Order: sequence, then C-alpha cells, then structure tokens
Amino acid sequence: DAKTTQPPSMDCAEGRAANLPCNHSTISGNEYVYWYRQIHSQGPQYIIHGLKNNETNEMASLIITEDRKSSTLILPHATLRDTAVYYCIVSADNAGNMLTFGGGTRLMVKP
Amino acid sequence: NAGVMQNPRHLVRRRGQEARLRCSPMKGHSHVYWYRQLPEEGLKFMVYLQKENIIDESGMPKERFSAEFPKEGPSILRIQQVVRGDSAAYFCASSPRGVGNTEAFFGQGTRLTVV
Repeated sequence: DAKTTQPPSMDCAEGRAANLPCNHSTISGNEYVYWYRQIHSQGPQYIIHGLKNNETNEMASLIITEDRKSSTLILPHATLRDTAVYYCIVSADNAGNMLTFGGGTRLMVKP
Repeated sequence: NAGVMQNPRHLVRRRGQEARLRCSPMKGHSHVYWYRQLPEEGLKFMVYLQKENIIDESGMPKERFSAEFPKEGPSILRIQQVVRGDSAAYFCASSPRGVGNTEAFFGQGTRLTVV
C-alpha cells in the first residue's frame, strides 16, 4: 500500500508555479521521498528525490518539512507540457525495495 | 546510452495464447522492475529481478505469469493463456542498484490487447 496522500487533481495557469503537496506522516528515518510523473500514457519519468534537505534540479524543487511528514514539489514555471499525473513515493534505501505508486495528482496546466 | 527498451510496443493476442514482453535495461543496470497499468488505473508493482534472481514477486498473479532476467539478454515477462483482463500497459524500469537513493528509468511500455 502507498504510504503517501496526494490531492487527486490540481489546476495551474501556464507560466505560474505549480505547487504539488504530499503527506507522508508515517515516513521512516531511512525512507527517501521521490517524485515521478507520467505524461499521458508514457512511461513514468523521474523528477527528483530527497531525504531531509530541500533539493533542486533543472526540472523542479523539492521542499521537505523539518519533521519530514510532508513535502511539496514545485515546478517553477509550469508549461502545457507539464500536464501529467505526478506521483509522490517514499522508499527506503534497502536492498530489495521497489517503488510503490499511489493514485498521484493529476495536474492540468491551462493556458 | 539508450534508455530502457521495451518491445513490442503493442501486442495483440487472442484469448488462450501466450504473450512475451521484453525489457532491455539501460547499460550497466542489473535491477529490473515490472509494473502493470490497467486502463484508467495506477501503476501496480509486479516483480523485481536482479540478474538471474527474483528478488520480490509479491505483485505477480499466482498463475499464468512468470518473469526472468537471464545472465545474457533482456528480461522477459511471460503471460500464458491470456484472458481479456490481462489487457493493460506493462512497464519495466531499471536501476543500477536497488531504488533506494537512486532513480529508476522506465521504458515506454508494452500495450497488450487480448481479443
């Protein structure tokens, strides 16, 4: 079972920042927070991951609260091509682990 | 460096036939994961393999489904005696080690249609 809770859908205006929340109140100390997205019916695409510090890459920023019970994925300037289902996943750094996908958030970027 | 390659992209099988789905991981990746996505549903984990070993098959249906990742060649997901309910998109992912603290790369999937 997925250990995360995300809103089922969100809208965002093109060019504005998209802030996607995720609750993971039962996260363990050795579990990372991952974000993937799936555009239409393509294969999922990795976006970013982190343990406790905020992370930024060319695609997005990941803000993790100090207690690590929630996080926010930020797409700084959303484009129409960012319309996708975004998945927040927690997974431990153990051998034998896999990614467990929940329902995700369907982000619709509108002109 | 080519990405994860899945073939075929589309596969049509009649009920009762066998379906073989192939996944070639990225170069240097020895960990492979298979997922199934039913129409309008989320991705469900099926099986996790590391070269020649099945690490976790907790998501695999008990009958008709099998997976392998031989020392040489692609990973194969095999579905025997397919039924209409097997119609879905099947995705595989690879990583250089277990997914903890590393990203997994997904292929574009194989869309299986059972008629």
